[in-house]
Formats: sequence, structure tokens, C-alpha cells
Amino acid sequence: QVLLVQSGSELKKPGASVRVSCKTSGYTFTGYSLHWVRQAPGQGLEWMGLINTETGDPKYDPAFPGRFVFSVDTSVGTAYLQISSLTPEDTAVYYCARGDYSEFIETFDFWGQGTVVTVSS
Amino acid sequence: DIQMTQSPSSLSASPGDRVTITCRSGQRINTFLNWYQHKTGAAPKLLIYAASKLQSGVPSRFIGGGSGTDFSLTITSLQPEDFATYYCQQSYDTPVTFGQGTKVEIK
Repeated sequence: QVLLVQSGSELKKPGASVRVSCKTSGYTFTGYSLHWVRQAPGQGLEWMGLINTETGDPKYDPAFPGRFVFSVDTSVGTAYLQISSLTPEDTAVYYCARGDYSEFIETFDFWGQGTVVTVSS
Repeated sequence: DIQMTQSPSSLSASPGDRVTITCRSGQRINTFLNWYQHKTGAAPKLLIYAASKLQSGVPSRFIGGGSGTDFSLTITSLQPEDFATYYCQQSYDTPVTFGQGTKVEIK
């Protein structure tokens, strides 16, 4: 079955970096895009962008500056989100989600369990 | 960016009730509209895609409708496992945008 398994919770100090992984299984990794979604405390879901898993080309929501970087390792079917120069405002749950097309409409049909990133001094 | 506005922000209902959540987009998006259920501590779950199509495995009590700018999600008979937050999401254009969510609570 399709699974997206994310790395565990992270506690970081301001200014540090963090890398969140999203390991996939049960399907052809390069056949689907991989999206990242953020949920800040008490807030809703916010799309961060996506990565084309076949070419490695990312597309970012303009609301997320260059500190946020998507990458993939197709040899292990894993996507990564790296955030540098962390601030307390980056504290959130980060989700990866598979992008699929149904009736020509892209959906997020399978999601990772979420990774809690806490930034605090 | 296409703004998505849900109403209400929260509602209280009892098991067995019929509840309807609405979602309005800031511009016409045809039927490029999906609905997700999100429970605390769990991954969001796709319920409805293309405004009215039921995702495989989702109970038929979830009904989506609408097109253009106005959409709805109806749960015909609320079950205990349906208490969660529901989000609409447009995939008509990037950036993808979600509604702010509707929290369905037990009365």
C-alpha cells in the first residue's frame, strides 16, 4: 500500500537548520509530484510548494522564501524539506503529500503523518 | 492568489445530524475543488475531489456539490468519527490555497 513516512519531531534553536524527510513506498516515486504543507499552531493548512520527483524541479509558494528548499533522492524514494535560519515563526507541523490527478484535477491523495518542528531558545 | 472562504468557522452538532459546510472561492474555479478531513495528530484525508466525486473508501454520507465559486460539503448523518476539521482546497491555479477550515464539534 501507499505510505509516506516522515522523520520525527525536531527541537531547534533560532538560527539553526532542520531537514525533514518523507520516505515513500508502495508506488513509483517518480510518477507523482510531492507537495509540502505547513500547519502553524492554531492555524489551518498552508501549501508551501511542490517538487517534480522525476526532474527534481521545485516550485515554491512565494510566501516561502529561499530558506525553504525541497529536494529528492529518487534512489531511496525520499523527499526532503530543508529549512535554514530557523525562527520561532517556523514552529509548525510540516506534512508531505502525494499529488495525483483524478478527473484532471490534482489532489493530495496520500499524506505523511506530519513532522513537528519547534524552534525555541 | 485565489482566496478560499469557508463558513462557518466552527459548528456544534449531535450524532445523526445533517451538517453542511460552505466554501467560496475568490474567482471562478470550475470544479477544481477538493475537500479534506483533518483530525488532530493525524494526516489529512481526502474526502471529495472535483467538487462532487467521492474518494475511494470514503463513506457515502459525505456529499460534495457546487461549481464556479460556491461549493458545499454535506454530511448527511454525522457519525462520532466525523468530528474533525474540514478544509476546502482549490487546485485551479498555483499557488494551491485552502480555506481556513471548519471545526465540527460534538454538541
